[in-house]
Amino acid sequence: DQQVKQNSPSLSVQEGRISILNCDYTNSMFDYFLWYKKYPAEGPTFLISISSIKDKNEDGRFTVFLNKSAKHLSLHIVPSQPGDSAVYFCAASDGNAGNMLTFGGGTRLMVKP
Amino acid sequence: EAQVTQNPRYLITVTGKKLTVTCSQNMNHEYMSWYRQDPGLGLRQIYYSMNVEVTDKGDVPEGYKVSRKEKRNFPLILESPSPNQTSLYFCASSSRSNQPQHFGDGTRLSIL
Repeated sequence: DQQVKQNSPSLSVQEGRISILNCDYTNSMFDYFLWYKKYPAEGPTFLISISSIKDKNEDGRFTVFLNKSAKHLSLHIVPSQPGDSAVYFCAASDGNAGNMLTFGGGTRLMVKP
Repeated sequence: EAQVTQNPRYLITVTGKKLTVTCSQNMNHEYMSWYRQDPGLGLRQIYYSMNVEVTDKGDVPEGYKVSRKEKRNFPLILESPSPNQTSLYFCASSSRSNQPQHFGDGTRLSIL
């Protein structure tokens, strides 16, 4: 059973509006969460992360929110730009020895001009 | 430029023919990993290495081997590839645990 789930395979947003990407997890041992962005024919690129001791982390247009009681995190992009169109992966780690990340299945974001 | 480099980027081969995918990083990172990406499943870790000569299994290690003879290189070896290993593979590195991993651009393997 997948421990990290992104229930929306795709999301379409108008340029300038807010994009909200969601992620749910089941493993309560996860203590570090990341979002990666992936363009076609490229590897995932780190976007933003959050430790379980925080509930919000902000970096420019990107904000990640963590709700530990609900085991839910979200990525907000404001304002959305056409260059943000990509696949976004949520990932989680429990501080394991191998620094293994458990990934969600990804959400394809399309920002329309 | 800091990067993780994988080769080849694309490979079509046949069942049972041994192949190696190379991975090299220039950031002096301790940790290196291999992942495979399959539709709807995200990325799953195959093997990881915490340092030279230290490797261990990830989530889906069956059918794969790795080695870490030098800090910068972490090749993935398929001794006898099978069609269920057709996938998109990524190598990644990080400075330590709970730090963001840097990914290569991927290797698309097709095993016929």
